[in-house]
Amino acid sequence: EPEVTQTPSHQVTQMGQEVILRCVPISNHLYFYWYRQILGQKVEFLVSFYNNEISEKSEIFDDQFSVERPDGSNFTLKIRSTKLEDSAMYFCASSDFRIPYEQYFGPGTRLTVT
Amino acid sequence: GQQLNQSPQSMFIQEGEDVSMNCTSSSIFNTWLWYKQDPGEGPVLLIALYKAGELTSNGRLTAQFGITRKDSFLNISASIPSDVGIYFCAGTVYNQGGKLIFGQGTELSVKP
Repeated sequence: EPEVTQTPSHQVTQMGQEVILRCVPISNHLYFYWYRQILGQKVEFLVSFYNNEISEKSEIFDDQFSVERPDGSNFTLKIRSTKLEDSAMYFCASSDFRIPYEQYFGPGTRLTVT
Repeated sequence: GQQLNQSPQSMFIQEGEDVSMNCTSSSIFNTWLWYKQDPGEGPVLLIALYKAGELTSNGRLTAQFGITRKDSFLNISASIPSDVGIYFCAGTVYNQGGKLIFGQGTELSVKP
């Protein structure tokens, strides 16, 4: 069964450093998303992406964040200058254009900012 | 803003028991979804609901989309140990780029 994959599974970085989180969505999906989950809390929406542009973004997704689909398979989230409060699990999700609300999540990248 | 209130926060049940959890909101949602999350993993889609009043089953799981579009419930029948995990409701509204708004989750523990 096709699935969303994410790399790395765990990333440790120092405050102020740039990080790039990578995702490979399900191959025939056209909608892509990033969410985050701070330990013990609910999942929060960051951004949605369709047709090579951002469809919607949350207040969390400020100028420090950017997304890109550099080729036909990868979808990335970049944090330019990480802060301690960016420590969280980051989930990528994708959905089919015919049923865009049924989003399938990857296993997540645990980001630890020290 | 849009928020989903999920209850109960946690449940401790005996294997074989039925479970019910629900989600409410002060605003209308057009789609309700239920996800399960195991520790250290991503949410897994269980059921999606699209129409007010819709009742949908997936094996031992049954979920309903409330008539007012402001609530949903999930039932699990004859629970088994692998049902352990955190169950999240999520809702979407049209024209918000597919943004899912999640509830706080219900942590289910099943005693064999």
